[in-house]
Amino acid sequence: SQQGEEDPQALSIQEGENATMNCSYKTSINNLQWYRQNSGRGLVHLILIRSNEREKHSGRLRVTLDTSKKSSSLLITASRAADTASYFCATVLSGTYKYIFGTGTRLKVLA
Amino acid sequence: EAEVAQSPRYKITEKSQAVAFWCDPISGHATLYWYRQILGQGPELLVQFQDESVVDDSQLPKDRFSAERLKGVDSTLKIQPAELGDSAMYLCASSLELAGSLNEQFFGPGTRLTVL
Repeated sequence: SQQGEEDPQALSIQEGENATMNCSYKTSINNLQWYRQNSGRGLVHLILIRSNEREKHSGRLRVTLDTSKKSSSLLITASRAADTASYFCATVLSGTYKYIFGTGTRLKVLA
Repeated sequence: EAEVAQSPRYKITEKSQAVAFWCDPISGHATLYWYRQILGQGPELLVQFQDESVVDDSQLPKDRFSAERLKGVDSTLKIQPAELGDSAMYLCASSLELAGSLNEQFFGPGTRLTVL
């Protein structure tokens, strides 16, 4: 079973615009990670945020985590055509060693 | 840059046949994961190894799937017999330590399995 759900399922934007996708999960977590998957390079780790952190930045990526709402968001600023991919959140449940991936958001950036 | 290697990249088989996938993790990575990804969904963990020991195989269909990592390095995932519903991408990943630690997973390119 998949504990994370990304929203929206699909997103289409123009190059240069910002893209925001959300992840909701069900139980307490140790940390939350975002991954990108495209046909050319497989799954690639983007960013990790710990359960005691609220916001984290990496280049054009900004991740927030709200443990009270059990949700996270990924913001990609100034999007590029190369950002076209599926984005997944992955959670590690507290007290376990198991990664659980969400259902993914398919992002399409139009040039 | 070190990468996770998987083979074959593509496999077509008939139902009831046996198939095997191989994975070589990044050198020094203690933890190895096998995932199954159905088209349009996120990866689902099948089995997780710490060195040569199984940490989690709760989602592995043990009547037909088996996995081993005998020397704590490379790993093999086997399906016997294959069923139509096994058609999916099988992904291998590795990480320095267990998932509870603050480390990322590195994924291989995957094996696309088609069962006819």
